[in-house]
Amino acid sequence: GAVVSQHPSRVICKSGTSVKIECRSLDFQATTMFWYRQFPKQSLMLMATSNEGSKATYEQGVEKDKFLINHASLTLSTLTVTSAHPEDSSFYICSALISSGYEQYFGPGTRLTVT
Amino acid sequence: AQSVAQPEDQVNVAEGNPLTVKCTYSVSGNPYLFWYVQYPNRGLQFLLKYITGDNLVKGSYGFEAEFNKSQTSFHLKKPSALVSDSALYFCAVREMNRKLIWGLGTSLAVNP
Repeated sequence: GAVVSQHPSRVICKSGTSVKIECRSLDFQATTMFWYRQFPKQSLMLMATSNEGSKATYEQGVEKDKFLINHASLTLSTLTVTSAHPEDSSFYICSALISSGYEQYFGPGTRLTVT
Repeated sequence: AQSVAQPEDQVNVAEGNPLTVKCTYSVSGNPYLFWYVQYPNRGLQFLLKYITGDNLVKGSYGFEAEFNKSQTSFHLKKPSALVSDSALYFCAVREMNRKLIWGLGTSLAVNP
């Protein structure tokens, strides 16, 4: 149980285009999901907290107009990287907070490469 | 502010030997502590947590961690390391607003 999926696992896009990443909790409902960014051999950087049915809360320094987050249902959150640039290339990981409120379960990550 | 420190960037251990990955924390109030493991190019997998109760917490894959309030530590341990345990290990503490504060990670290498 407690499986989180992400799609796609890898994506390559051209500079200036937009990319959507989906995060789904497969066997539980998640009122809260988190989006992280991870650089090679570094820790996770929280980008935003996504609550179902409300606007996401972005961390300081994260551009909300560039990284659009939608949490339309209790099992799906999406991250759209708009007008992507090479510096947006990274490993993006989502996680979902289980209803008990303690553990987060993580998706397998999405490797974004912007050329 | 709450924080987590993993003092070792890398830990090397021989297969079959016991392993310890260190974590210390700083929180106000009671800590909610977690360990996660990340294999190459993969997401994170939950290993174990401490919320309350017994100071020795047992988790997945034979790992355990000991909560030590006086030393503000939550070290991850395993009695006998496997080569397949080689991965990146993250300690985290949870804030009241449910966000996780992460350590910088410790790379564990288990040598055959």
